[in-house]
Amino acid sequence: EIVMTQSPVTLSVSPGERATLSCRASQSVAGNLAWYQQKPGQAPRLLIYATSTRATGVPARFRGSGSGTEFTLTISSLQSEDFAVYYCQQYHNWRTFGQGTKVEIK
Amino acid sequence: QAQLQESGPGLVKPSETLSLTCTVSGGSISDSGYYWGWIRQPPGKGLEWIASLYYSGASYYNPSLKSRVTISVDTSKNQLSLKVTSMSAADTAMYFCARGSYSSAFMIPFDSWGHGTLVTVSS
Repeated sequence: EIVMTQSPVTLSVSPGERATLSCRASQSVAGNLAWYQQKPGQAPRLLIYATSTRATGVPARFRGSGSGTEFTLTISSLQSEDFAVYYCQQYHNWRTFGQGTKVEIK
Repeated sequence: QAQLQESGPGLVKPSETLSLTCTVSGGSISDSGYYWGWIRQPPGKGLEWIASLYYSGASYYNPSLKSRVTISVDTSKNQLSLKVTSMSAADTAMYFCARGSYSSAFMIPFDSWGHGTLVTVSS
């Protein structure tokens, strides 16, 4: 099983600032890495797939990067609606999720 | 854009079998190029993939749950189903169904989700 580890667990950021979230895989997942956003009481929403491709309707301030075992989600200028929990997911071998990073208002 | 709606019993007793359905509207569950899956989330915790079923008929299971889980489709009802045997308190979670897309050239992870159905295991 590929284990996904996200850091930090919680990220405190002021509106308008940049947020950088990390995701590490226990073995290479090639480019088969996705990011999801989840708000309280809602289902997850796909943001990024194939490491860096934004899903339909996702604003350009969300950018994914990385390869192999190290991946990053960058939110360039946090808006109020971006405060949420973010999960990475590998789909290279079965599917596994990271434990999540909560982005909270500083 | 397909819409997905989960339904289930809400409360299940320990050792019983859980049966969940996911009704798909705005598209056919038999449409080519799609795959379907179940994901769960214990209260206050992260996401866990349970199983996926492809248009081709191939099914895949989380190794940690494989012995207790069955995923299937009922094309006549346009529904996806999940059965989990030997339920325990550790299976208490919100259960989501979701859809992804694939071809020989690409794979798009779950981009359409239901709202989820909460299942509590308790006597």
